[in-house]
Amino acid sequence: SQQGEEDPQALSIQEGENATMNCSYKTSINNLQWYRQNSGRGLVHLILIRSNEREKHSGRLRVTLDTSKKSSSLLITASRAADTASYFCATGGQGGSEKLVFGKGTKLTVNP
Amino acid sequence: KAGVTQTPRYLIKTRGQQVTLSCSPISGHRSVSWYQQTPGQGLQFLFEYFSETQRNKGNFPGRFSGRQFSNSRSEMNVSTLELGDSALYLCASSPVGRTNTGELFFGEGSRLTVL
Repeated sequence: SQQGEEDPQALSIQEGENATMNCSYKTSINNLQWYRQNSGRGLVHLILIRSNEREKHSGRLRVTLDTSKKSSSLLITASRAADTASYFCATGGQGGSEKLVFGKGTKLTVNP
Repeated sequence: KAGVTQTPRYLIKTRGQQVTLSCSPISGHRSVSWYQQTPGQGLQFLFEYFSETQRNKGNFPGRFSGRQFSNSRSEMNVSTLELGDSALYLCASSPVGRTNTGELFFGEGSRLTVL
């Protein structure tokens, strides 16, 4: 079963706009990760936020985590056409296991 | 460093056949995990290996199996293929110990089509 659920399922914006994707999860976590996948390719790790962190930045990415609401958001600022991809949140990686549980993803389209 | 390498990238099989997929992790990474991605079910965990031992297994039938070799390379096998096995199979590796940041490094995947 899916641990994370992303919202929205699809998002279409213009270049230069900000894109916000949300993720909700069900159980307690040690950390939450976000990955990007270009069409039919492998996943690329974007950012990891630990359960004791509330916000984290990496370049144009900003991730927030609210453990009381079991939710996270990924903000991409000043979007570019190259940001067009699917974005997944993932939880797990606990107790020495690398098993991650992924959400169904948000498909982001950035129009030039 | 070379990334995670998966072979073959694309393959077509017919129902009832079996298939073996290969994964070479990043040099120095000793943990390898496999995921199946389909439009309907999304990304689902198959299994995880470390030091040639299966540490974790997802909820898949026994037709799905895997192994890891002493050089950390891994293979997965699917026997008696069904149409529903058509998917992108992704392999991921990670270091173990103090260098483990929690991040998984994924290969480009093996796209399996079952006819």
